[in-house]
Amino acid sequence: EAGVAQSPRYKIIEKRQSVAFWCNPISGHATLYWYQQILGQGPKLLIQFQNNGVVDDSQLPKDRFSAERLKGVDSTLKIQPAKLEDSAVYLCASSLGIEQYFGPGTRLTVT
Amino acid sequence: AQKVTQAQTEISVVEKEDVTLDCVYETRDTTYYLFWYKQPPSGELVFLIRRNSFDEQNEISGRYSWNFQKSTSSFNFTITASQVVDSAVYFCALKRDSSYKLIFGSGTRLLVRP
Repeated sequence: EAGVAQSPRYKIIEKRQSVAFWCNPISGHATLYWYQQILGQGPKLLIQFQNNGVVDDSQLPKDRFSAERLKGVDSTLKIQPAKLEDSAVYLCASSLGIEQYFGPGTRLTVT
Repeated sequence: AQKVTQAQTEISVVEKEDVTLDCVYETRDTTYYLFWYKQPPSGELVFLIRRNSFDEQNEISGRYSWNFQKSTSSFNFTITASQVVDSAVYFCALKRDSSYKLIFGSGTRLLVRP
């Protein structure tokens, strides 16, 4: 069974530029999550989808971050415009039950 | 409030030593779940174990064992006869029964030296 796929793996941008990340969850997993992991910290949930509906986006900085999961499968997370403090690893996870399975993440560096 | 504390920032051991990673959690919920994840240098979080709050039975899986004690709000993880491949960052996490959100600790970096 294929795991959670994410691309790109690495991205370097300048502040005020925009960037998008893509995630393909495990087949059949209805729930999809985006986490932000700042260096030296544990992951923090940004947004959770159940199929194509948002369940929890309380910690998503909505003035600059947006996410969508239009067909209830793939998802994209966008940052526009990026700030220096957005430098982090962005992890996508999916679940069918309680356990969440994570992708390899996208490491974003904002200069 | 829900919180997970991993007080050990970094641990270094020599191969074949036993090592215990501590995890202390805070919650007022009666039903909750605890997890351990491993994050190797590749970056992917690998699921290791889940325990629910009603099951305090300790678990052993090969060289890994977990000690869940509700009385001290702890869910500690022991690696017996550590190996270089065990080098990674280990995260403990808490999930409320009413939410899908995982609340992670800050992680413990384990370095196993040959």
